[in-house]
Amino acid sequence: KQEVTQIPAALSVPEGENLVLNCSFTDSAIYNLQWFRQDPGKGLTSLLLIQSSQREQTSGRLNASLDKSSGRSTLYIAASQPGDSATYLCAVISGGATNKLIFGTGTLLAVQP
Amino acid sequence: GAVVSQHPSRVICKSGTSVKIECRSLDFQATTMFWYRQFPKQSLMLMATSNEGSKATYEQGVEKDKFLINHASLTLSTLTVTSAHPEDSSFYICSARDNRVYGYTFGSGTRLTVV
Repeated sequence: KQEVTQIPAALSVPEGENLVLNCSFTDSAIYNLQWFRQDPGKGLTSLLLIQSSQREQTSGRLNASLDKSSGRSTLYIAASQPGDSATYLCAVISGGATNKLIFGTGTLLAVQP
Repeated sequence: GAVVSQHPSRVICKSGTSVKIECRSLDFQATTMFWYRQFPKQSLMLMATSNEGSKATYEQGVEKDKFLINHASLTLSTLTVTSAHPEDSSFYICSARDNRVYGYTFGSGTRLTVV
């Protein structure tokens, strides 16, 4: 059974700092991995998607990497801003007929102005 | 880009009544949609996979008679919480995959409160 874990569970940083969020998964047979952002009481906003054949993806100040063999992904946020404060979720898309998304435990990020 | 609309965003109902939540893909067809449940300060838990024109596939521990899923068209899936009880109060979110792109798109979620 696929299990996805995120470390740290919560993180507070001053504005402008670079930071790394970690995601690990137990079964490396994934189709791809997706990072999401969730604001309190809201739905999910997709940030980056990495296909299983890719090593990383970049969008603006965000960079996500994927190491399938070790079961790890990182989300790097450069020059953090207070508007980045949210819960960040990684999700792996398992193979098979249904292509289900299995979510990690989430990291609650607070960027202090 | 792919857009998923979910309604209602909030609903309060009395214990024992049923509540229907709609999930629509607005600019693409979705043969498969997913329903998640999220408790406060917890991650999303997959409840079931909704398949157009066939029965939904439920995750272990999810009562199919409690959470009725109907996926009658390629753009609409509904989740009905039957005979709701206070413990069913939660945040419910649907998602769908647009086959034109990789990845999944989520609805804005429904906050259900059963009193």
